[in-house]
Amino acid sequence: KQEVTQIPAALSVPEGENLVLNCSFTDSAIYNLQWFRQDPGKGLTSLLLIQSSQREQTSGRLNASLDKSSGRSTLYIAASQPGDSATYLCAVRTSGTYKYIFGTGTRLKVLA
Amino acid sequence: DVKVTQSSRYLVKRTGEKVFLECVQDMDHENMFWYRQDPGLGLRLIYFSYDVKMKEKGDIPEGYSVSREKKERFSLILESASTNQTSMYLCASIAGQNTGELFFGEGSRLTVL
Repeated sequence: KQEVTQIPAALSVPEGENLVLNCSFTDSAIYNLQWFRQDPGKGLTSLLLIQSSQREQTSGRLNASLDKSSGRSTLYIAASQPGDSATYLCAVRTSGTYKYIFGTGTRLKVLA
Repeated sequence: DVKVTQSSRYLVKRTGEKVFLECVQDMDHENMFWYRQDPGLGLRLIYFSYDVKMKEKGDIPEGYSVSREKKERFSLILESASTNQTSMYLCASIAGQNTGELFFGEGSRLTVL
C-alpha cells in the first residue's frame, strides 16, 4: 500500500533563503507526482507535475525533482518570499489507477 | 486555464439534513473526485467518477453518495448529515489521459451542528 510522507510538518525561514521540502513514497510504481500549494481555507493549487519518466520540472523559482528508485521527491524554492507562506502538499498517482495518495503537507512560513 | 468551481464555499447545516455539494469543471475532463480534508488526516478520497453515470467508492464512502448526470458536473450528497461530517470538502478533476494534471476547486467548508 502506497504511503506518502512529508517531513518536516512545519518550517519557518527568513525571507530570501533557499529551501527544500521533502516528499517520500513507499512504492516506486507511480505514474506521476504532483506538488500543490494550499493557502488557509482554500483549495489546492497545482505547482508542478512530474511524470514517472522525468527527473525534474521547473517553474519560475520552483524546481521539483523525482527519484523513483529511492522513493523521494524534493521541491526547491529559491529566494523565498513572505508570499510563499502556505502549506505544500505532494501527491503520488498510483500506477494502474486514478487514485492519488497525498502527504499531510509541510506548513511553510517565510518571515519578512 | 482549467476551472473547477464549487458552488458553496461555506455551509452550516443541522444534523439529519440532506446536503448537496456541487462541483462543475469547464475543461471536458472525464474524471472527477470528491475528497474531504481534516487536520492530521490529510486528504481522503470519498468517491470518484470516470464517466457520466459511472462512479467508484473511494476510501471513506460511508454516509455519502454521488451523482454525475452530465460530464461537467459531479455532486456529493450527504443523505443525513452528522456532526462527524463537519469538514472541508474538495472537488478535483483530471483529463482522461494517463499523464494528466489534477485540478482542484476552492473547497466547501461544511459545518454540521
